[in-house]
Amino acid sequence: EIVMTQSPASVSVSPGESATLSCRASHTVSANLAWYQQRPGQAPRLLIYGASTRATGVPARFSGSGSGTEFTLTISGLQSEDFAVYYCQQYNFWPPFTFGPGTKVDLK
Amino acid sequence: QVHLVESGGDLVKPGGSLRLACAASGFTFRDHYMNWIRQAPGKGLEWIAYISSSGDTIHYADAVQGRFTISRDNVENSLYLEMTSLRAEDSAVYFCAREGELGYYFDYWGRGTLVTVAS
Repeated sequence: EIVMTQSPASVSVSPGESATLSCRASHTVSANLAWYQQRPGQAPRLLIYGASTRATGVPARFSGSGSGTEFTLTISGLQSEDFAVYYCQQYNFWPPFTFGPGTKVDLK
Repeated sequence: QVHLVESGGDLVKPGGSLRLACAASGFTFRDHYMNWIRQAPGKGLEWIAYISSSGDTIHYADAVQGRFTISRDNVENSLYLEMTSLRAEDSAVYFCAREGELGYYFDYWGRGTLVTVAS
């Protein structure tokens, strides 16, 4: 099973600032990595797939990069609706599909 | 637009059973792989089951293997999860999620249904 880790566990950011979230896989997952946003009380929402491709309707301030075992989600110019928990997920080697534990982005 | 609506969540005693359903609309259901993913209160996301578009390939997480059964009805556009021998640690919000067009990520999710296992 591929174990996903995320750092930091939480980060406090002011609106308009940027946030950089990291995700690491225990073994290479190539570019088969997705990012999700989950606001409180809501279902997760796909942001990024293929490590760097934005899903339909996702604003350009969200960008993903990386391959192999190290990945980054950058949120530029954070807006109020971006304060949420972000999860990475690998789909290179499955079952099982595995998620990281999440990074909470909250208001500074 | 794609719509997934889960139902069937309830309070059930340890050892009990429950059947969850997910009604799909807005896309050609029979063309897509589907999954169940759960989230315990205050915790992260855990994938638990996958079913191929035709239903002939199924995978489970170790935590539910032998106790849960995923199935689908491509005429009724519905996904199901039969849960037996329920344990306290199965308490969670259960989401159905559609497999992405270009890979095994999850591009659409339902809002989830809450299962609570307690005596």
